[in-house]
Amino acid sequence: QSVLTQPPSASGAPGQRVTISCSGSSSNIGTNPVNWYQLIPGTAPKLVIFRNDQRHSGVFGRFSGSKSGTSASLAISGLQSDDEADYFCAAWDDSLDGYVFGSGTTVTVL
Amino acid sequence: QAQLVQSGTEVKQPGASVKISCQASGYSFSSYSVAWARQAPGHGLEWVGWINVYNGDTKYAENLQGRVTLTADTSTSTAYLELTNVTPDATGVYFCARVGTGWFADNSYYFNMDVWGKGTTVIVPS
Repeated sequence: QSVLTQPPSASGAPGQRVTISCSGSSSNIGTNPVNWYQLIPGTAPKLVIFRNDQRHSGVFGRFSGSKSGTSASLAISGLQSDDEADYFCAAWDDSLDGYVFGSGTTVTVL
Repeated sequence: QAQLVQSGTEVKQPGASVKISCQASGYSFSSYSVAWARQAPGHGLEWVGWINVYNGDTKYAENLQGRVTLTADTSTSTAYLELTNVTPDATGVYFCARVGTGWFADNSYYFNMDVWGKGTTVIVPS
C-alpha cells in the first residue's frame, strides 16, 4: 500500500487536458517538494516535474505541476498519444526517513 | 549525456543471492548518489534505497533492511544492488537512478532521481 495516493487511471481525447492528483501527509508532501515520474514499459523512467512545478530538461511545456498543503497535481495539456504512460508522484518522507512513491496513475489517450 | 546501463535479466531460485549492476557514463560518478527502485508485476514503484557514492553511506527502505546491500565502485563508475535469500516476492524490475539531493532554505529536503536506467528484471519462481 503506497504512502501517496493517486487515482488508478485518467484519460482524455487528443488535445484535451488531463489532471492527476497525489495526496499525502504532513511528513511528506506537506514538508518536502514533490516530483513526478513517467514510466513507459520497456524504457527508462523519466523525471517530468521536480520541486513541485519545475519541468525537467527536455520536458515539454504541456506538462505542469502544482502543490498545495499535503496534495499535489500533475496536468498534461494538449494530450498526445506519446503521453500514454504510468505517472508516479514522489516525495521524501521525514517520518519514514525514506523516499515514497505514489500508487501510480495510468494515462490513456482515447 | 548522462546514462545508466543496467545488467541483464536474472532468474534465481528461492534462497539464492542476486547482484545486479548499473554502470554510469557521461557525468562525474562520485558527484551524485545512486538510488534504486523496483516495480513488482502489477504494482507501482517502491523505493529500495540509495548510496552516497562519494562516501559510501547507504540508506535502505525499512521493509528491505537486512536483505539488500548497495555498493558502488568508483573505479568502474558502477553501482550494485545485491539481494540475498531471495523469495518470489523479490520478482520484479529493478531500476537504478542518479540522484541529486539536498536541503532548501526552508529546510525541505529534495531527492531528485533525474537519470534512470532501463531496469533489470529479476525472476524468482515459486
